[in-house]
Amino acid sequence: DAGVIQSPRHEVTEMGQEVTLRCKPISGHNSLFWYRQTMMRGLELLIYFNNNVPIDDSGMPEDRFSAKMPNASFSTLKIQPSEPRDSAVYFCASSPLGTDTQYFGPGTRLTVL
Amino acid sequence: SQQGEEDPQALSIQEGENATMNCSYKTSINNLQWYRQNSGRGLVHLILIRSNEREKHSGRLRVTLDTSKKSSSLLITASRAADTASYFCATEGTSGSRLTFGEGTQLTVNP
Repeated sequence: DAGVIQSPRHEVTEMGQEVTLRCKPISGHNSLFWYRQTMMRGLELLIYFNNNVPIDDSGMPEDRFSAKMPNASFSTLKIQPSEPRDSAVYFCASSPLGTDTQYFGPGTRLTVL
Repeated sequence: SQQGEEDPQALSIQEGENATMNCSYKTSINNLQWYRQNSGRGLVHLILIRSNEREKHSGRLRVTLDTSKKSSSLLITASRAADTASYFCATEGTSGSRLTFGEGTQLTVNP
């Protein structure tokens, strides 16, 4: 199994631009999580889905952030418009039904200039 | 604030020594998990201990859980340079599914 796949691995953009991060969970996993990691705030859960349905988006910082999961094999996290304080590493993780273990992707390092 | 808080924030030891990291949390949990993160990589699950368990082993890892003190410890025995990484505890609350991560302990094992 290829594990959780995230793209792009690195993204550099200018303030005000739209950014879309992509995630392909491990096949057969029914839960998907988006996290943001910074030195100042550590690892924060942004949103998670069960069976493609958003369950808890209380961690989404503001309306500029949105996430979708149109099917079991794909999810996106969009930031529009982006701001320098959004610079962070964004991780996607997935989890199979009936277990509590999460499998993390390699992350997307986002830099907003 | 973060549910899990690790102690110490940083730990530097020599190869062959044991490393102990501690985690404290605030609310009732279903389970507590430990993850490792190598520099520039994603987190990797190491071990899970449920709230009704007190100790668990996996290879060179030993985890303890004291629910009365709301604390856990991770012991890595006979450490290796390859164990150099950040270690995070994560708690799953009684409502399930979401994990709350601590700030991590940066472990450096010197060859």
